[in-house]
Amino acid sequence: TQLLEQSPQFLSIQEGENLTVYCNSSSVFSSLQWYRQEPGEGPVLLVTVVTGGEVKKLKRLTFQFGDARKDSSLHITAAQPGDTGLYLCAGGLGGMNSGYSTLTFGKGTMLLVSP
Amino acid sequence: DAGVIQSPRHEVTEMGQEVTLRCKPISGHNSLFWYRQTMMRGLELLIYFNNNVPIDDSGMPEDRFSAKMPNASFSTLKIQPSEPRDSAVYFCASRAQTAQPQHFGDGTRLSIL
Repeated sequence: TQLLEQSPQFLSIQEGENLTVYCNSSSVFSSLQWYRQEPGEGPVLLVTVVTGGEVKKLKRLTFQFGDARKDSSLHITAAQPGDTGLYLCAGGLGGMNSGYSTLTFGKGTMLLVSP
Repeated sequence: DAGVIQSPRHEVTEMGQEVTLRCKPISGHNSLFWYRQTMMRGLELLIYFNNNVPIDDSGMPEDRFSAKMPNASFSTLKIQPSEPRDSAVYFCASRAQTAQPQHFGDGTRLSIL
């Protein structure tokens, strides 16, 4: 059973366009993280959100955690070819300050930004 | 600073052979994670160590898979005997403390023929 569903699975856009990708679940998470993964490399953390309704911005990227802490979105403004990659969301299981804390990952959205 | 180091980067072997994947976590990190990534199933947690002790191995597919962490600077994931369905990219990640982010290595791409 896939706890986190990401959509769309694949997105191909032109440079300068805006886009939003989604991460949805029926489960409540203690935190939610977004990663970007490039070919031949491991995922790299972009952001962690922990509070329902929280919004974080990282340059042209805006991340939002749903009020109920079950879903999240990533919005990219004026996409650039350097944004190309696999975007993964991951829900935190176990309290952030507990002795047990792991992540469950969605399958990702593959983004291709063409010049 | 050196990140998480995995070896080998690529492994191609015939089914039935033993495969050993290696990981050196970031110095000072006390948690280590092994993941497997495939197109069909995405990134799945196999096993999680804290202070060299296995905490959760519920993601290990079957008895053919085993993982060890003999000390704070080294871990292995072993598959014996290997099967074609084990073909995937295997990632190791480490973390300093519970509330800190995981840092991933660049993975081992494993192909079982």
